[in-house]
Amino acid sequence: SAVISQKPSRDICQRGTSLTIQCQVDSQVTMMFWYRQQPGQSLTLIATANQGSEATYESGFVIDKFPISRPNLTFSTLTVSNMSPEDSSIYLCSVGGGGGYTFGSGTRLTVV
Amino acid sequence: QKEVEQDPGPLSVPEGAIVSLNCTYSNSAFQYFMWYRQYSRKGPELLMYTYSSGNKEDGRFTAQVDKSSKYISLFIRDSQPSDSATYLCAMSELIQGAQKLVFGQGTRLTINP
Repeated sequence: SAVISQKPSRDICQRGTSLTIQCQVDSQVTMMFWYRQQPGQSLTLIATANQGSEATYESGFVIDKFPISRPNLTFSTLTVSNMSPEDSSIYLCSVGGGGGYTFGSGTRLTVV
Repeated sequence: QKEVEQDPGPLSVPEGAIVSLNCTYSNSAFQYFMWYRQYSRKGPELLMYTYSSGNKEDGRFTAQVDKSSKYISLFIRDSQPSDSATYLCAMSELIQGAQKLVFGQGTRLTINP
């Protein structure tokens, strides 16, 4: 299965600022997925990123708040923009298909 | 009603016990059924997945799917302290050419030595 490197692993940010999270995969993949895991909650899909096209966002998530880049088949970034304390969560990227998905180790974001 | 329901626990059992973790779901279009283990401050790790109703065994772990009842289970035999983690069920549906995953809330499990 693919190996994902995600960074930063954690950050503490001031409200109103932005943070960009990076995910690097050790093999070429068509789709990369971005999830949010709020404290004590399960994972919620933010968007699906295909190389060469705009990301597809799930209900409740918008591009202005969570812009995504996918410059090639092994890399993607998620930016959390104009942050507020409600954005404090763990953000994870994932790749895979069918029944098998691999997740990065996550970025633990705290907004103060 | 959530698409996937999972008792968040916490669940605490003695070492060596058999653990039963369960999820129910409402969407008949789900195709794959997965169990993930998530240690504190780590990403979810895939344990097992199944595509059809029935049982699938991997070492001390057995996954069971009953599509007629919309119910899935994960059994852990001879539980070890290292099994202490949060267990997430997940199910996927094919939407616009991609499998979209829906996760349960996760059950926090502690195995006591």
